[in-house]
Amino acid sequence: DTEVTQTPKHLVMGMTNKKSLKCEQHMGHRAMYWYKQKAKKPPELMFVYSYEKLSINESVPSRFSPECPNSSLLNLHLHALQPEDSALYLCALHKDNTGELFFGEGSRLTVL
Amino acid sequence: DAKTTQPNSMESNEEEPVHLPCNHSTISGTDYIHWYRQLPSQGPEYVIHGLTSNVNNRMASLAIAEDRKSSTLILHRATLRDAAVYYCILVTSGTYKYIFGTGTRLKVLA
Repeated sequence: DTEVTQTPKHLVMGMTNKKSLKCEQHMGHRAMYWYKQKAKKPPELMFVYSYEKLSINESVPSRFSPECPNSSLLNLHLHALQPEDSALYLCALHKDNTGELFFGEGSRLTVL
Repeated sequence: DAKTTQPNSMESNEEEPVHLPCNHSTISGTDYIHWYRQLPSQGPEYVIHGLTSNVNNRMASLAIAEDRKSSTLILHRATLRDAAVYYCILVTSGTYKYIFGTGTRLKVLA
């Protein structure tokens, strides 16, 4: 079973569009993450939700708006993005019993 | 956040052991040492982690220096599928903050 499902896999949007990335898990793990990764760079931590509450925001611009409506779902709402925001957006969940992060395959975003 | 330092790149021959070093001289007593790797076109995947003692699992071994200021990830027999970027991360106990450094790009030669 896939532990973390990210949709869409690819997204192209204009700078005036509003779109959302979605991350879903059914493993019951209580901490979920958004990372941003540019080509040939390490993943950059953006947000962490713990028990559906935002616990870490790494000074991310407000054009990125996270939401955790329930323990299975994590969204990243995108509005008025810039071309430099084009990147791979990775969702991860924290496995409480082992302390490891488990990553999804990512959503590749292109902002035109 | 405590920092880690890794070589930018390393090469290994297939079926030989690989020792990937990580320096973390500012590590605190509650920091766990985690290793992740990222294969091309995939998200990072967990490899191993430890606190003070050496650790072994099916993927690798983690050797931690006695003073904990450095650690080494050991792949016992490198295969072509082990070619990836390997990240060493310090994670403070009780926090959820996983900050990736620049990592080591491992090239495995056939």
